[in-house]
Amino acid sequence: AQSVAQPEDQVNVAEGNPLTVKCTYSVSGNPYLFWYVQYPNRGLQFLLKYITGDNLVKGSYGFEAEFNKSQTSFHLKKPSALVSDSALYFCAVRGYNAGNMLTFGGGTRLMVKP
Amino acid sequence: GAVVSQHPSRVICKSGTSVKIECRSLDFQATTMFWYRQFPKKSLMLMATSNEGSKATYEQGVEKDKFLINHASLTLSTLTVTSAHPEDSSFYICSARAESSYEQYFGPGTRLTVT
Repeated sequence: AQSVAQPEDQVNVAEGNPLTVKCTYSVSGNPYLFWYVQYPNRGLQFLLKYITGDNLVKGSYGFEAEFNKSQTSFHLKKPSALVSDSALYFCAVRGYNAGNMLTFGGGTRLMVKP
Repeated sequence: GAVVSQHPSRVICKSGTSVKIECRSLDFQATTMFWYRQFPKKSLMLMATSNEGSKATYEQGVEKDKFLINHASLTLSTLTVTSAHPEDSSFYICSARAESSYEQYFGPGTRLTVT
């Protein structure tokens, strides 16, 4: 069975500082990894994905994530946080043979304070 | 491209009535659609997976007679909450996937409130 862990329920960071939202996963075979962001009462917006290739993936709104196979991690990062980045962030994984089913982490609320 | 819509965005209904939520892929053919439920400040819980033209596959613990899913065309899936109760109040999100694609595209969600 595949699983995703987001160990922090909430991350607080000051505007302008770098941010990291952690994600670790467990899956058979090579993983497909995704980050989504959700604003209040809205659906999920795609941020970035890792399928293959370069371990550092760049996505929307200045976010990036680094795939680390040995640590089975896919942490989301941004060099300089904005107040508007405050939202709920979900990491998701799909195994190559998982029948296209995504498994989501529990979500991490990012609070960026001015 | 890859836009998924949901209708309605919000619905309030009385206990005992049924509510239908539509999920449409606007610019691609969705061979598979997924229905999720999200409780406040919680992650998404997969309810069921539907493939066009066949019966939906429900996750363990999800009542198929209560949450009726129809995927009659390549661009439309519907979720009907039958005999709704206040505990069915939740945020329901659909996603759609094109054939041979690894990506899912999510709808904006539907807030259901049962009074």
